[in-house]
Amino acid sequence: KNQVEQSPQSLIILEGKNCTLQCNYTVSPFSNLRWYKQDTGRGPVSLTIMTFSENTKSNGRYTATLDADTKQSSLHITASQLSDSASYICVVSEDYGGSQGNLIFGKGTKLSVKP
Amino acid sequence: DGGITQSPKYLFRKEGQNVTLSCEQNLNHDAMYWYRQDPGQGLRLIYYSQIVNDFQKGDIAEGYSVSREKKESFPLTVTSAQKNPTAFYLCASTPPGWDTDTQYFGPGTRLTVL
Repeated sequence: KNQVEQSPQSLIILEGKNCTLQCNYTVSPFSNLRWYKQDTGRGPVSLTIMTFSENTKSNGRYTATLDADTKQSSLHITASQLSDSASYICVVSEDYGGSQGNLIFGKGTKLSVKP
Repeated sequence: DGGITQSPKYLFRKEGQNVTLSCEQNLNHDAMYWYRQDPGQGLRLIYYSQIVNDFQKGDIAEGYSVSREKKESFPLTVTSAQKNPTAFYLCASTPPGWDTDTQYFGPGTRLTVL
């Protein structure tokens, strides 16, 4: 069964600290993996999208890694800010040979950054 | 401004009533989607449409209906048959060549059944 598991479920860190969120998946065949940031009561906003051949992708203070062999991804946040408080959702897309594939959503990690 | 909009932001409904959630986009995207989000759960796909006048059921379509008469609009009706409709509803759209592109989400509608 295709699944996306995220850990931890929730995380509290102090402002200025770094943190790493994990995403493990069993989706096959794999097309791409995306990380979204969702503020409370808002729609998700894309941070990164990574295909099979990409190991690392950065977006400002956000750096995503992908290990397609172990089917693991991480999202590293550097020098956290209060505005980073949000849920971070990992989404993996199945590969249907060029046509639209299923998106499998993780349950998200809720990050709280405290002053 | 280009984007995807949903209205209303908050919606209250009495049991037994149908209610329609609006989703509009001016991004010229072909594909549009409706998701439901419940606390502690991942987003679940209700319906999607890849082209005007065509739509497909997602994983949890029971108790919902949609229409796609215009490219810009993809309204979702929550019917009285939906047993547990209280949730946060998200609409999304995708540009062509979506394998390597990102879904753009609307701001969401929070539906509460009283």
